[in-house]
Amino acid sequence: DTGVSQNPRHKITKRGQNVTFRCDPISEHNRLYWYRQTLGQGPEFLTYFQNEAQLEKSRLLSDRFSAERPKGSFSTLEIQRTEQGDSAMYLCASSLGAAFHQPQHFGDGTRLSIL
Amino acid sequence: AQTVTQSQPEMSVQEAETVTLSCTYDTSENNYYLFWYKQPPSRQMILVIRQEAYKQQNATENRFSVNFQKAAKSFSLKISDSQLGDTAMYFCAFAFEGKLIFGAGTRLAVHP
Repeated sequence: DTGVSQNPRHKITKRGQNVTFRCDPISEHNRLYWYRQTLGQGPEFLTYFQNEAQLEKSRLLSDRFSAERPKGSFSTLEIQRTEQGDSAMYLCASSLGAAFHQPQHFGDGTRLSIL
Repeated sequence: AQTVTQSQPEMSVQEAETVTLSCTYDTSENNYYLFWYKQPPSRQMILVIRQEAYKQQNATENRFSVNFQKAAKSFSLKISDSQLGDTAMYFCAFAFEGKLIFGAGTRLAVHP
């Protein structure tokens, strides 16, 4: 169990630029989740995948956000035309199985700062 | 809509003492799971303990235990014999349709 891996750890970019984050889940985990955490708050759900299928997207996920999980392995989260309000920690988590009681294992997160 | 409320933004405790963190939630679901996660400074979030709503017995994991009151929709976390390594943000979370809904967190500081 090598844990959930996220890259990069930090991303600083200018407003209006596009950014892409990567998440590698624990190898046998078929569910993968993206959350956003702003300073002093708990994580907020963005979207999740079961294998390669994106099953749900939060209303927080505007049209500028897109997530993919090709082949049901790693996932990418892209933000286009970044805005100041996108500054946050983006957390990825994975879990085994479809049952909602399965614990989610989190990565270290990618901290995005918009200049 | 499911909501989770943690009313204590910050707590502090002396090493070896016991501390209880509060959490309330709102849901119309009957079968669900509740979790406590710990997020140490600049480190990843890890699971502390989980509770199945249909089980009346409170979950326990070593020094960590919960007081689950289903009717009151309350789910508090008790940490016994607090250690310096327990210093972290603690998040209460409700599992709904595969995703977690988190509270705003309680920052716990353990002092020597």
